Amino acid sequence: GQSLEQPSEVTAVEGAIVQINCTYQTSGFYGLSWYQQHDGGAPTFLSYNALDGLEETGRFSSFLSRSDSYGYLLLQELQMKDSASYFCAVFRPFSGGYNKLIFGAGTRLAVHP
Amino acid sequence: DVKVTQSSRYLVKRTGEKVFLECVQDMDHENMFWYRQDPGLGLRLIYFSYDVKMKEKGDIPEGYSVSREKKERFSLILESASTNQTSMYLCASSIDRLVGQFFGPGTRLTVL
Repeated sequence: GQSLEQPSEVTAVEGAIVQINCTYQTSGFYGLSWYQQHDGGAPTFLSYNALDGLEETGRFSSFLSRSDSYGYLLLQELQMKDSASYFCAVFRPFSGGYNKLIFGAGTRLAVHP
Repeated sequence: DVKVTQSSRYLVKRTGEKVFLECVQDMDHENMFWYRQDPGLGLRLIYFSYDVKMKEKGDIPEGYSVSREKKERFSLILESASTNQTSMYLCASSIDRLVGQFFGPGTRLTVL
């Protein structure tokens, strides 16, 4: 089977640091991606970890450990505008030699003053 | 900036109607995708296309078909809409099969 699990909701205060975890039960995937989606908006690509380790992009960092089947998104210096849903996703081989993204159910982050 | 546009933000149709959802991208991407998004289920892949006139079934293709006559346009067709197809439909495109996908604003379809 293949599935990604992430917490359904996380709350935090402005200025804090929050970590959104993603555990997966799939093998043979190419990498872990993170997407952000504000209410009523489209998902937007945040990061992609092809290799184990930490990728940093401004206030956001993403981590992957294939041996632990685990990844996370780290958001620092939280701002109110970071309130959104965050999805982890993996690329997996699909039929005909193509690849597809498999998404987790999403984590709703609420940032409070 | 990549721009992915979808023909409608909101659509209301009746059971049994044929529904067309249009998606256009302006960055010459070869890869295009249709997803539906439902609460608690994340995004699920309906169909995808890696080239003009090429299409592949995703995870939940039943009740849907697609058309890709031009590189920039990928259409999703509901042959006979049913109430369980009420959902948010998202189109996406990407330049490469392993990099991030760019999503359109979505079409919220309600089937009565």
